[in-house]
Amino acid sequence: TQLLEQSPQFLSIQEGENLTVYCNSSSVFSSLQWYRQEPGEGPVLLVTVVTGGEVKKLKRLTFQFGDARKDSSLHITAAQPGDTGLYLCAGIKGGKLIFGQGTELSVKP
Amino acid sequence: EAEVAQSPRYKITEKSQAVAFWCDPISGHATLYWYRQILGQGPELLVQFQDESVVDDSQLPKDRFSAERLKGVDSTLKIQPAELGDSAMYLCASTAGTGIAGELFFGEGSRLTVL
Repeated sequence: TQLLEQSPQFLSIQEGENLTVYCNSSSVFSSLQWYRQEPGEGPVLLVTVVTGGEVKKLKRLTFQFGDARKDSSLHITAAQPGDTGLYLCAGIKGGKLIFGQGTELSVKP
Repeated sequence: EAEVAQSPRYKITEKSQAVAFWCDPISGHATLYWYRQILGQGPELLVQFQDESVVDDSQLPKDRFSAERLKGVDSTLKIQPAELGDSAMYLCASTAGTGIAGELFFGEGSRLTVL
């Protein structure tokens, strides 16, 4: 059983569409990070959210940390083919970084 | 731009053979991690080093896996003997400081295929 559950696991959309990826847990995390990983590469950090209810925007990406610090979401507006990749949420708990299983996003032109 | 270096990028081996992966973290980064990522899943922590000391190896299968960071700089992860289920991407990451409150910088990984 994953401590962090991501949904959906796979998402295939057309360029220009909006999408939301969810990261849920029954545990509280001191902070949560989102990474993006391209095939054959290591994950790259996109954002860290620390405060419950926090919202951070990174160009077309909006990240939200749940009020209870148990869940998070990533919203992408007007997706582009360059957004294709594996999106990973990771929670910091007890000094460890625990990853979700990832959401594989494919954006078709 | 400073990067985490890993080698080899790809390794194909037969089961029961020994394999070794090497990682050179970003200069000055005290904390080093080895993660294993099975295709289609998120990375799972195998071992964490603080300088040359092991901080957490609770998820490392110690009957066949070993890791060392003798001088507190580069690190080696060894598997002996390799099993079919060890096929995965082995990722090394480093971070400045003593914790993981900040950003983990990952290498490109070492892809292992066990036949």
